[in-house]
Amino acid sequence: SQELEQSPQSLIVQEGKNLTINCTSSKTLYGLYWYKQKYGEGLIFLMMLQKGGEEKSHEKITAKLDEKKQQSSLHITASQPSHAGIYLCGADLGDYKLSFGAGTTVTVRA
Amino acid sequence: DAGITQSPRHKVTETGTPVTLRCHQTENHRYMYWYRQDPGHGLRLIHYSYGVKDTDKGEVSDGYSVSRSKTEDFLLTLESATSSQTSVYFCAISDVGVGTEVFTDTQYFGPGTRLTVL
Repeated sequence: SQELEQSPQSLIVQEGKNLTINCTSSKTLYGLYWYKQKYGEGLIFLMMLQKGGEEKSHEKITAKLDEKKQQSSLHITASQPSHAGIYLCGADLGDYKLSFGAGTTVTVRA
Repeated sequence: DAGITQSPRHKVTETGTPVTLRCHQTENHRYMYWYRQDPGHGLRLIHYSYGVKDTDKGEVSDGYSVSRSKTEDFLLTLESATSSQTSVYFCAISDVGVGTEVFTDTQYFGPGTRLTVL
């Protein structure tokens, strides 16, 4: 089983609507990363969270880290077609590597 | 764009043949990583390097070897490719390694190499 579980696996949202993706760890989180990937392309770094309760925003994307729940959420406000893609969370679980979730595929319908 | 290139971007090969993928960076970052991405598995670490000639295994290293003779280049070799190694391979770099005592650094990813083993 994966150490990081992302939910949902995929979602379809109407343009202009909000969406939320969750990333839950089975281990203590020492750092949490969010990446976006377009099909056939590399991963684009969105933001990194390190402290419990930390919240970061970039344009219409906000990420929060709940250290106690070992969970992070990514929220997109007023989604646009440019938000479509695969969102992956990666976490530093205290060993030598980043562990990644399986990804959430976001489709934005006009 | 973090100055990472991968070559080739696409490759089709036959079972049993050796394959080498190259990752090149212009950022002078110390750490370099090779991942593979498969549906349902996300990204899994194959090998990583923490300096020239310093490498270590990741979680799915069987069947793969790596070499790093220069800071800017990290090579991934499949000695005898198998169909189970059909995947998309990503290289990543960071200035400081993950999980160090200093701080956790951001990893930047290359565009990927799509490898098909027939």
